[in-house]
Amino acid sequence: NAGVTQTPKFQVLKTGQSMTLQCAQDMNHEYMSWYRQDPGMGLRLIHYSVGAGITDQGEVPNGYNVSRSTTEDFPLRLLSAAPSQTSVYFCASTKQGIYNSPLHFGNGTRLTVT
Amino acid sequence: QKEVEQDPGPLSVPEGAIVSLNCTYSNSAFQYFMWYRQYSRKGPELLMYTYSSGNKEDGRFTAQVDKSSKYISLFIRDSQPSDSATYLCAMIGNYGNNRLAFGKGNQVVVIP
Repeated sequence: NAGVTQTPKFQVLKTGQSMTLQCAQDMNHEYMSWYRQDPGMGLRLIHYSVGAGITDQGEVPNGYNVSRSTTEDFPLRLLSAAPSQTSVYFCASTKQGIYNSPLHFGNGTRLTVT
Repeated sequence: QKEVEQDPGPLSVPEGAIVSLNCTYSNSAFQYFMWYRQYSRKGPELLMYTYSSGNKEDGRFTAQVDKSSKYISLFIRDSQPSDSATYLCAMIGNYGNNRLAFGKGNQVVVIP
């Protein structure tokens, strides 16, 4: 049982490049989400999904796109990378939603934008 | 004022000491309170989850919630070097708001 798997672990991008951060879970969780973690800022929610085909914006959605075509996968797309998007990105999932069960986090993708 | 305030530390204690961490919050709609532990280069993992005011114990860990003062605490008894990590408080508001509000995290180092 792998839990929440994030790829890649590290990535360096140039300003203006695009890329997709991958997130997959094998726990049949309905709720999936993306957070970014920055020093002095804590974890901030980017986008979340309560099930396949349903996504919604979080606290800091600008510059990011998501889609949820399957229960297992929730990729995060950076459309045109900016230095302000240098951060550690965490994907997290839970069975029934954040009120009823704990969030399971992946081990993060460390992104640097130069 | 940020919704959730947590002094980032770091906090260094000798092995066996009691570690005391706390968060304050401003949004009275917060009803569910959590503590996550995050080891270096890893994702956070849930440590404690509580809803009501009062204390909740789990082994060496005690979570305390005081809703009247908008204040939550985590105590670690008989601290071990393996407790060295960053501890994040998190809270959720009224049902329908699918967002956890996290504190900045408090780095704890337990010295053998």
